[in-house]
Amino acid sequence: GQSLEQPSEVTAVEGAIVQINCTYQTSGFYGLSWYQQHDGGAPTFLSYNGLDGLEETGRFSSFLSRSDSYGYLLLQELQMKDSASYFCAVSNQAGTALIFGKGTTLSVSS
Amino acid sequence: DSGVTQTPKHLITATGQRVTLRCSPRSGDLSVYWYQQSLDQGLQFLIQYYNGEERAKGNILERFSAQQFPDLHSELNLSSLELGDSALYFCASSVVASGELFFGEGSRLTVL
Repeated sequence: GQSLEQPSEVTAVEGAIVQINCTYQTSGFYGLSWYQQHDGGAPTFLSYNGLDGLEETGRFSSFLSRSDSYGYLLLQELQMKDSASYFCAVSNQAGTALIFGKGTTLSVSS
Repeated sequence: DSGVTQTPKHLITATGQRVTLRCSPRSGDLSVYWYQQSLDQGLQFLIQYYNGEERAKGNILERFSAQQFPDLHSELNLSSLELGDSALYFCASSVVASGELFFGEGSRLTVL
């Protein structure tokens, strides 16, 4: 089976940096993805890590350590619009469905 | 706009009834995935189709079934509905696995 652990809630202020951690246990591992979901909306893709290391996309970065079964999403220069739920998700082989964590609710205040 | 279309957007029905949710994937995407999201819950994987064939099954109840048609659109059938089936049902599509799925806006099902 597969399981993912991430914090349920994180709070921060505008302009700050926040890191959302994700640890996973899977029977096989292909990659770790991150998605953002605003209240009631569709999840949208943020980033993907198939190999160890850091991937940077604008204000968002994602990191993966396969040996530690661990990854994180780093959000910099936080804005109010970043208030949303963030999900990590794993795939255990190419072409298969993603299994999602329960999500982290990020609240950004001014 | 992800390019994935789901209908209906909202659906209210009674316990014991049957409903069908429809999904049109992005043009060119062969894989379709169905997910269920209940209140304050994550996205629970239900089932995946690839080019008309079932590819993987997740936590899909026996009362639920799905299929993917030759034109690649997919339908999720939910029968003998219970109150606990009330949820957002998302469809997603992808070309090949890159960790990137494109989600539709979802169908919100309310069972009374």
